[in-house]
Formats: sequence, structure tokens, C-alpha cells
Amino acid sequence: EAGVAQSPRYKIIEKRQSVAFWCNPISGHATLYWYQQILGQGPKLLIQFQNNGVVDDSQLPKDRFSAERLKGVDSTLKIQPAKLEDSAVYLCASSLVGPGEAKNIQYFGAGTRLSVL
Amino acid sequence: KNQVEQSPQSLIILEGKNCTLQCNYTVSPFSNLRWYKQDTGRGPVSLTIMTFSENTKSNGRYTATLDADTKQSSLHITASQLSDSASYICVVKGYSTLTFGKGTMLLVSP
Repeated sequence: EAGVAQSPRYKIIEKRQSVAFWCNPISGHATLYWYQQILGQGPKLLIQFQNNGVVDDSQLPKDRFSAERLKGVDSTLKIQPAKLEDSAVYLCASSLVGPGEAKNIQYFGAGTRLSVL
Repeated sequence: KNQVEQSPQSLIILEGKNCTLQCNYTVSPFSNLRWYKQDTGRGPVSLTIMTFSENTKSNGRYTATLDADTKQSSLHITASQLSDSASYICVVKGYSTLTFGKGTMLLVSP
């Protein structure tokens, strides 16, 4: 079974530039998550999709971050414009069942490491 | 406020030795508690999931315990191997949200 695919693996940009990350979840997984993981910390949920609808984006800085999952499969996360504090690993995860299910297991991609200079 | 606190922050042990990682949480309502292993440069991988009624669960050399009364969990690693070097993250699920700890960085030294 193929895992969660993310690209690019690494990205270096200057502050105020724009950047986009791509995620392809495991086939058949309805729920998709984007997390931000700052060095030395646990992942922080940015946005959660159920199919192509947003379930939770309460921690997404909407003035600069946006995400979409148009066809309920692939997803993109965009930052525009980037700030120094956005330097982090951006993890995408997917799960077969919804967030209300007790044992929905999340499968994570390897992440995209973003450095903002 | 939902919180998950892990200790120690980092740990170095010799190969072959055992170790125990701790997790304290204040998450309500409580659904389940998960331990993840995150290798450097990789995404987290689930090790165990325990619900309110489960006190212990094993996955190979990993054994997790849960005390729902004191809201504490531990992850015990037996006969450590070099490949156990990773960050171990405790995650507590409420109704629909997950609260992540900061992780314990484990280094197994030869």
C-alpha cells in the first residue's frame, strides 16, 4: 500500500515570497490533515478536510495560509507571503475514517521542510 | 485548556537497556491515547492506541500503559536497539481533536 506522498521534500525561500506544498493521501482515505511542526515541538494541526470540505481550520493563519482539496483527493497548502517564523516541517496525514471515530489512525507523509530566510 | 506534557525532554541510553517515557495529559473529554514514533526526517508512525478501558498494550518491544484516573501514560521500551533512536510523541484524542505532546527525543548509543 502506497503511503502519503508529499512534495517537495525541502524548500528554501526568502521572506515575503510565496510557497506551495502538495499532498497525495492514501487511496480511499476521506480525511486529510495538514500539520506544522516547528523544530523540537509536536505537530500542530493547521487544517482538516473531510473529503473536500473543511472540518477544522481554527489554527490556520488565514491572512497568509490557504489550503484546498478540490476533488477530495490531493491537497495543496500555500503560504503567501512567508515569514521567518513559518520555518518548519509541514506534515500531511490521512485517515480512513472521520475524526469522530474513536480509533481513526492517521498515516503521515515524510513532510516538507521549509526554511524561510 | 487541553495539554499533553511529556518527560523527559530527551534521553540517552545504551543499546540493550530498557527505558520508560512519561506522558501526562489534561484532555477532556478523553477518547484515546496514542504513542507515535518519529524518525528524523520522517513523519510520525503510530505505535499504540489505548482507550479508556485499556490499561496496557504492547507492540513488539514497546509496551504502553494508561492510568485514566491519574491521566498518565508511559511507554516502556525493552532491550533497546539503535533503530529505536527517534522522537516519541504522545497524542491524546478528545471528541474529534488531537492534542500532541512535544515529544521525547531518545538516543540509543552503541
